[in-house]
Amino acid sequence: EIVMTQSPAILSVSPGERATLSCRASQSVSSNLAWYQQKPGQAPRLLIYGASTRATGIPARFSGRGSGTEFTLTISSLQSEDFAVYYCHQYNNWPLTFGGGTKVEIK
Amino acid sequence: QVQLVESGGVLVKPGGSLRLSCAASGFTFSDYYMTWIRQAPGKGLEWLSYISSSGSTVYYADSVKGRFTISRDNAKNSLYLQMNSLRAEDTAVYYCARESSWYYYWGQGTLVTVSS
Repeated sequence: EIVMTQSPAILSVSPGERATLSCRASQSVSSNLAWYQQKPGQAPRLLIYGASTRATGIPARFSGRGSGTEFTLTISSLQSEDFAVYYCHQYNNWPLTFGGGTKVEIK
Repeated sequence: QVQLVESGGVLVKPGGSLRLSCAASGFTFSDYYMTWIRQAPGKGLEWLSYISSSGSTVYYADSVKGRFTISRDNAKNSLYLQMNSLRAEDTAVYYCARESSWYYYWGQGTLVTVSS
């Protein structure tokens, strides 16, 4: 199975600053990668699919890029509601797999 | 609006069985692939299983293959997950999600606790 590795595990950022999260696949997943945001007690929320396409209703401060094995999610200017855990997810090969998550916390 | 509502999560003993349900509404259920995903307490997301719109094609994570069975009843707009030979490590919130690739619609989850 494809292993998705996210880094860092915890990212401390001040409101208004830029956050860059990384996701690496153990083999190529082409552009078949999604990003999710999850807050405590809630189901995950789809942010990005196709590596770079924002889902409906997602603010423009969220952007994704990459292909193959290296991907990034950038939050251009962190808002208070953006402090959460973020997961990448590959849907190129069965079984589908998620990364371990990056927690974005307030610095 | 699209709604997915899971049910069936309870406390069960190791080695026991359980069937989870996911009731779908607000869309034509029989047109969509469906997926089960779980999250152990304080842990990340784990993709579990997929079923095609007709139910003819299914896939499983290695961790549940041979123990869990995904199924659907399109007449009842419902998705199921039959879980057998449950282990402590199956303790998690179980989510159903619409589609097979990326997941825009999720249920609220149902908690399964496996403990003696």
